[in-house]
This record gives sequence, structure tokens and C-alpha cells, in this order.
Amino acid sequence: QQPVQSPQAVILREGEDAVINCSSSKALYSVHWYRQKHGEAPVFLMILLKGGEQKGHDKISASFNEKKQQSSLYLTASQLSYSGTYFCGTEVAAGNKLTFGGGTRVLVKP
Amino acid sequence: GAVVSQHPSWVICKSGTSVKIECRSLDFQATTMFWYRQFPKQSLMLMATSNEGSKATYEQGVEKDKFLINHASLTLSTLTVTSAHPEDSSFYICSGRGSWDNTDTQYFGPGTRLTVL
Repeated sequence: QQPVQSPQAVILREGEDAVINCSSSKALYSVHWYRQKHGEAPVFLMILLKGGEQKGHDKISASFNEKKQQSSLYLTASQLSYSGTYFCGTEVAAGNKLTFGGGTRVLVKP
Repeated sequence: GAVVSQHPSWVICKSGTSVKIECRSLDFQATTMFWYRQFPKQSLMLMATSNEGSKATYEQGVEKDKFLINHASLTLSTLTVTSAHPEDSSFYICSGRGSWDNTDTQYFGPGTRLTVL
């Protein structure tokens, strides 16, 4: 079953923050986050494993609450380059396939 | 590191012809490769999972005789769309997963846009 992402879309001004949520109805082993720009392949951002991980790179960070079966991606002080569609992919066990959410479209305006 | 290439980037073909798409992991050995299809403004839908040297595992609803997958080596997988029809037009993306870490990270190729006339 596909994880549910919210919001479906968000428009930001450069420098503003945003949160993207990914919720699953199943117990999860890991959550993977990707960003895809129009006409291009998804680019890996980060992976969070069960155990309540939090991670960050530059001004993009994420957390994973395995009890709630959800993950959140935080865009802090957004830049124009952050525009794109963000997908979460969930894995129910190690070595399994990823099931992707519907995506969240992010548009960062000057 | 962890670069995946796809060839061709785009292809336009006539209805009824077959199209082969190649997916290569350039700097790692992909023990598992995945093939996805993505329609405009939609999510990535997994078509099949292939492990090197064994038959691909297809997702429900994906015709294995229409979408032939071969994973002949640890760096190459191919998807052949046989007797393509306009409804097969889509963005096809492969990904590779290596075994050098324990995180199951998938690295995606740049995608192939197929247009069937």
C-alpha cells in the first residue's frame, strides 16, 4: 500500500521553511527521500532507518518516528534549487522493494 | 559514486515495434535492479525487480511477456517493451542497489522517455 504524503504541493518564498510528511499504514524498516526535477530521474537525498533516526544535509533534514510509522522532511531556509517533487519511499523490511508516495510538489519563488 | 546510466534517453517508435532500454551501473555492482514507470505528474510505479542471473519478479498487473527484463551481469539490466502500443508511452526509470552498505539505497538512472506513435 502506497504511503501518503502531505501536503500535495507547497509554494515558498526563498528563505522560508516547509515540512513534508510521509505516513504509512504498515510498520516500516526504513524511509528513503528523493527529489525529482521535471523530466529528470529522482535524486537520492537521505535514508532513515528504524530506531528513530534523524538526519540532515545542508539545510534539508528528516526524522523518522517508527511508532507513528511516519517520516518528515524539513526544508529550512529554502533555496531556489529546492524546487521539485519530493517522494518518500518506504521499505517494510531490509532488502525489500520501495513503495513510493504520491509526491509533494515544491516551488520556491524568489 | 553510485552512478546509473540509461540508454537511450528518449525513443519514438511506431506501434507494434519492440524497444530495448539499457540500464548500467557505472561505478558499483548492482546486485538488484528495479524498473519503474512514471506517468506525467504521478508517482513512481514499480514494474519489476531483477537480481543478477535470475528471473525478474514482476509486480501485479505487469505483463512479463510484454516487458522482458534481463539482468545478465552485475552492471547491466535491460528492459524490452515488446509490440509497443501508444498506451505504453511513459517515462521508464531504472535503479540499482548495491551491497556495499546495509542501507538498501537505490540509485536512479536518468530515465528513458518512450513515445509510441
